[in-house]
Amino acid sequence: DAGVIQSPRHEVTEMGQEVTLRCKPISGHNSLFWYRQTMMRGLELLIYFNNNVPIDDSGMPEDRFSAKMPNASFSTLKIQPSEPRDSAVYFCASSLEGREGAYEQYFGPGTRLTVT
Amino acid sequence: AQKITQTQPGMFVQEKEAVTLDCTYDTSDQSYGLFWYKQPSSGEMIFLIYQGSYDEQNATEGRYSLNFQKARKSANLVISASQLGDSAMYFCAMREGERSWGKLQFGAGTQVVVTP
Repeated sequence: DAGVIQSPRHEVTEMGQEVTLRCKPISGHNSLFWYRQTMMRGLELLIYFNNNVPIDDSGMPEDRFSAKMPNASFSTLKIQPSEPRDSAVYFCASSLEGREGAYEQYFGPGTRLTVT
Repeated sequence: AQKITQTQPGMFVQEKEAVTLDCTYDTSDQSYGLFWYKQPSSGEMIFLIYQGSYDEQNATEGRYSLNFQKARKSANLVISASQLGDSAMYFCAMREGERSWGKLQFGAGTQVVVTP
């Protein structure tokens, strides 16, 4: 089984540029999550979708951040314009909600974003 | 307010010894789930173990066990017979609520170094 796929794995961009991070969840999963990890703030949930619908975007830092899930197999997180403080590792995770059990989230390998 | 507290920023453990990683949580919900994830230096987040608030037995998964003390609101991870490959950052996380849409809140993590 392919796990969660994220691209790119590394991104270096200049301040002010648009950045798009991509995620393909595990096939059959119905929930998708975007997290950000920094040394200062640890792991933070940015937004999550259930059945392609955004459920909670309260963790999105500001209007520069937007996320979409046009179908069950693809999501994007966009930062426009990017700023140095956006430098972090961005994780995408997916899970199968609604069944008895742990509902564990499976994480992708992350995208390391550096904004100079 | 901090929902998940991991008081040990780092610890050393000798190979083949057992190690306990502390985690306390704060919630007023009756239904919740507790998770432990491992993050090796390569960066991926690996799900280890889950404990539901209504589970009467402590969860176990191979060398991992969760010491769940509901009244004390603690969910400590025990790794038995440590191996060099256990060196990693370990995160405790919680999901609150009956309707588990999947929003995980993470602690700050504990860095474990296993020595020969």
